[in-house]
Amino acid sequence: VQLVQSGAELKKPGASVKVSCKASGYIFTGHYIHWVRQAPGRGLEWMGWINPNTDVTEYSQKFQGRVTMTRDTSISTAYMELSRLRSDDTAVYFCARQYSDTSGYYYNALDMWGQGTLVTVSS
Amino acid sequence: SSELTQDPAVSVALGQTVRVTCQGDSLRGYYANWYQQKPGQAPILIIYDKNNRPSGIPDRFSGSGSGSTASLTITGAQAEDEADYYCDSRDSTGWVFGGGTRLTVL
Repeated sequence: VQLVQSGAELKKPGASVKVSCKASGYIFTGHYIHWVRQAPGRGLEWMGWINPNTDVTEYSQKFQGRVTMTRDTSISTAYMELSRLRSDDTAVYFCARQYSDTSGYYYNALDMWGQGTLVTVSS
Repeated sequence: SSELTQDPAVSVALGQTVRVTCQGDSLRGYYANWYQQKPGQAPILIIYDKNNRPSGIPDRFSGSGSGSTASLTITGAQAEDEADYYCDSRDSTGWVFGGGTRLTVL
């Protein structure tokens, strides 16, 4: 059971980046996927989530208009695209699974995380 | 959006007990979770819904809280517990993380 993310990216200011998160070992549509980022030496920052079953999303107000979360259920993969990149978007981006038990009850906790993807924004 | 406040750093002697706290208005309506993060690694969930441990998490980790405060207690801290600890919860506009507490085991 794991989430495996795509590799590191180097982008110029103003560009977009798309990070993937492939799930394995569990039913992909049974758990929301969240995206959380961490700037160098800083804390965790929640960006939003996607329900892989319904394609419904919820984004942090901070990233509204710049972030798009999508999924491809045929390959059990979630994506996070961030546009109009700035230098302060340089961070490690994590995907994480929201915990739900066997009855389908969702807890407001993230029980499995991807390994992280470093996105560097620099001219 | 609301905020969760944590002490930036805490230290504990090997084998002793330490408490890490998290304060914020969102905790009046939602349970706190706690994550452990070691350098270069992804966070690990260690406490959910205030006081529940996922399988595989040692029972020296426990959670508690009331009102706008949540606490993580490590009873008998081990050297491998040296890490950053983050609380989080839902809030009215999504989710929020605390700023993190760096725990040093002396």
